[in-house]
Amino acid sequence: GEDVEQSLFLSVREGDSSVINCTYTDSSSTYLYWYKQEPGAGLQLLTYIFSNMDMKQDQRLTVLLNKKDKHLSLRIADTQTGDSAIYFCAESLNTGGFKTIFGAGTRLFVKA
Amino acid sequence: DTGVSQDPRHKITKRGQNVTFRCDPISEHNRLYWYRQTLGQGPEFLTYFQNEAQLEKSRLLSDRFSAERPKGSFSTLEIQRTEQGDSAMYLCASSLDNSYEQYFGPGTRLTVT
Repeated sequence: GEDVEQSLFLSVREGDSSVINCTYTDSSSTYLYWYKQEPGAGLQLLTYIFSNMDMKQDQRLTVLLNKKDKHLSLRIADTQTGDSAIYFCAESLNTGGFKTIFGAGTRLFVKA
Repeated sequence: DTGVSQDPRHKITKRGQNVTFRCDPISEHNRLYWYRQTLGQGPEFLTYFQNEAQLEKSRLLSDRFSAERPKGSFSTLEIQRTEQGDSAMYLCASSLDNSYEQYFGPGTRLTVT
């Protein structure tokens, strides 16, 4: 089946690291993504990882993929108040069309 | 090019009315996707086009929903006989062929009263 699950809320202090976790069910996923959505704004692709990779680092963002456990995480180093947003985990299925399945989103609160 | 655009940004309609939304993708993008997002949820896939061909439809897309992309450029999503449960944000995204990266528009927020 197609399902992506993630915790709904995370609160951190400015300057700390944030770790947002996600689990997915479809083993045929080709790409896994993290999107960011700010109030009143569209979805922004933050980063992605191909399913044959374990880790990807992009500036303050680190993505870890445990394919055996179907677990994906996003670590944001030195979290800033501007990072406050909803973060969506998503997977693209191997259907040729990159149909994307999204989780419900994790709302990140960053306290100054 | 300024990205994916959607029109209107907001639509309020009475139950039973028909509504149509438009999406203009990034000009060289062959693929176009429609998603629906309800409050507190992530986007749910509805359908996608490669050029003018509609290649996949979700079971969420009931008979009251129809999408077209007649010339392989802009797309329309029509909802007939709207119901209160249709109230949601309708998102459009586009991508190049065989690209993982979808660019999302700002969405059309539909409210059915």
